[in-house]
Amino acid sequence: AQTVTQSQPEMSVQEAETVTLSCTYDTSESDYYLFWYKQPPSRQMILVIRQEAYKQQNATENRFSVNFQKAAKSFSLKISDSQLGDAAMYFCAYRGYNTDKLIFGTGTRLQVFP
Amino acid sequence: DTEVTQTPKHLVMGMTNKKSLKCEQHMGHRAMYWYKQKAKKPPELMFVYSYEKLSINESVPSRFSPECPNSSLLNLHLHALQPEDSALYLCASSQEGTATYGYTFGSGTRLTVV
Repeated sequence: AQTVTQSQPEMSVQEAETVTLSCTYDTSESDYYLFWYKQPPSRQMILVIRQEAYKQQNATENRFSVNFQKAAKSFSLKISDSQLGDAAMYFCAYRGYNTDKLIFGTGTRLQVFP
Repeated sequence: DTEVTQTPKHLVMGMTNKKSLKCEQHMGHRAMYWYKQKAKKPPELMFVYSYEKLSINESVPSRFSPECPNSSLLNLHLHALQPEDSALYLCASSQEGTATYGYTFGSGTRLTVV
């Protein structure tokens, strides 16, 4: 069975600085998708960034980028120029290529200080 | 319309009550999901509907009864719930062939069972 591990329950960063959130996963599949979701206190899960396993190039969305290491089964999220609005719970998630099931990690709470 | 709408936002019910949660999307997504999220935990998959048919049931107790009347609407019927069923219930949708786009989540229904 696939598992997703986020080893940092909490992280903090100062405004305008850079922070990296870690995620590792375990799977025997070769094709899959990885996601980072943000859940602010408003509760809605917001897609931050996605990565297809067959793509070697790391995904980037504005200030958000990932470091995808397929062999190491690692998928970290880098947030550059952190903003107060980035404060939230961040979940790493895995989905196999032929399944509808999205598997979440335990989450990392990010605090952003002025 | 790029949203998943959930109603009600908050619900308090007794253990002998019958209530329903509603989820609606008008993005033409073919798959819809119910997730349960306890405080400070990741969402846990409950049910998946694909093309209006139940495709995944994660061994959820029968006091939770899903229904998909049409491709835009997903209900979760609740009956004889227990206090431990109190949680945030999230609905999500996704589109066939675009798993790379991730899921679109609603903002959830906060359920309290008294």
